[in-house]
Amino acid sequence: GAGVSQTPSNKVTEKGKYVELRCDPISGHTALYWYRQSLGQGPEFLIYFQGTGAADDSGLPNDRFFAVRPEGSVSTLKIQRTERGDSAVYLCASSREAGELFFGEGSRLTVL
Amino acid sequence: AQRVTQPEKLLSVFKGAPVELKCNYSYSGSPELFWYVQYSRQRLQLLLRHISRESIKGFTADLNKGETSFHLKKPFAQEEDSAMYYCALSGGGGSEKLVFGKGTKLTVNP
Repeated sequence: GAGVSQTPSNKVTEKGKYVELRCDPISGHTALYWYRQSLGQGPEFLIYFQGTGAADDSGLPNDRFFAVRPEGSVSTLKIQRTERGDSAVYLCASSREAGELFFGEGSRLTVL
Repeated sequence: AQRVTQPEKLLSVFKGAPVELKCNYSYSGSPELFWYVQYSRQRLQLLLRHISRESIKGFTADLNKGETSFHLKKPFAQEEDSAMYYCALSGGGGSEKLVFGKGTKLTVNP
C-alpha cells in the first residue's frame, strides 16, 4: 500500500540535456497526472492519462515536453533540450475518483 | 477556460480566531471545487470537496455560484492548521483536469 512514488527526488542537469522523470502510481488508480510547481506558485497542470492514453495534454508548454504511460501504470515525463526555465518541482498524482488526487513527493529539477 | 484565484498569498491569525481563506473561480460550466492542503514537509493532499458537504478538521467550504466563490472557513483556528492551502477546480462532467490556484500560506500564531 505505498503511495505515489517519484524518482529521482532530485535531478541537476545542464542546459540542453535530456531528462526523464518517473512516476509509479498507486496500484489500481487509472488516472495519472503530471504537474509542475515553481517557487511561490500553485501546481500547474501539464497532462493527465486515463489508462494508457493521454486524455488531456493541453498543459504541456511546448514540444520539448512529452509523457508516456505505455502499460497504464508507470509514467515517464521526458524533457528534451532542457532550459533554465524548466527548473521546478515536477509533481505526479494518481486517482481512482475524479478530483481526489494522491500526490507524490515530487522530483526537483534544476537546470544549470 | 478554467481559472482559480486566491487573492491572499499570506494569512496570519491567532489561535482560536476565525479564519477564512478566499477562493474565486472562473468557469463557464458547472465546476467541481476542492481544497487541497500541504503541511510542512508533507505531500499535497485533499482536504475537502464541495459535493461531499463535509466538515474536515473543522473546515467547511460552501460553493457560491452567484459570487463564483468557494471560501474555506474555520471558526477557531489551531496551530496545527498552519499550512499551504490550494483551491482547485475541475470542469466536472467527466473532465478530470484539475486546475489549482496559487495558494495561501496560513500561519496560526500561539
